[in-house]
Amino acid sequence: GQQLNQSPQSMFIQEGEDVSMNCTSSSIFNTWLWYKQDPGEGPVLLIALYKAGELTSNGRLTAQFGITRKDSFLNISASIPSDVGIYFCAGLFKGDMRFGAGTRLTVKP
Amino acid sequence: GAGVSQSPRYKVAKRGQDVALRCDPISGHVSLFWYQQALGQGPEFLTYFQNEAQLDKSGLPSDRFFAERPEGSVSTLKIQRTQQEDSAVYLCASSLAPGRGWTEAFFGQGTRLTVV
Repeated sequence: GQQLNQSPQSMFIQEGEDVSMNCTSSSIFNTWLWYKQDPGEGPVLLIALYKAGELTSNGRLTAQFGITRKDSFLNISASIPSDVGIYFCAGLFKGDMRFGAGTRLTVKP
Repeated sequence: GAGVSQSPRYKVAKRGQDVALRCDPISGHVSLFWYQQALGQGPEFLTYFQNEAQLDKSGLPSDRFFAERPEGSVSTLKIQRTQQEDSAVYLCASSLAPGRGWTEAFFGQGTRLTVV
């Protein structure tokens, strides 16, 4: 089963709004990854984080690796309709990668 | 090829039937992973290959599941005597790096298996 708690499970927002989602775990991870999955497609890597406290941006996306190494968050600024999809966090420790259950994002124009 | 290719995209199997799912990784990619994704869930690890060697099969849910990559490129995931709980999307990912170089790993579109 899943070892990562990802929240929220779903979000309904208006275009232009900012979005925040997070992932927590009882286990320590060395790497945090954030993926986006569109319907009928495989997950696509958005951001990778390698060090505790690291803050990384990729366009309108910003993600942080928590200091305790047990959590991470992803922010999306100024959302647009193509941001719709399911966002997954994944934690990696010694080659073992676990995924969260996903956050389903709906953006209303 | 340009990306990871999986076939078939969709498979409907009668309970008890055997199925074979194919993954064509990106050319030259050393590592290959299989994941199972149930509806509304994140992917769950099944097995990992480095070239032709299956280094980890700890995620295979039962001995009905078998994976191979005989020449270190194409991989096949076989499920024998399918059960309804096997219904899921099966994702394949490949990476240029040996070991679990996840930041260079790319996923295929998956095969959606429905067991009726």
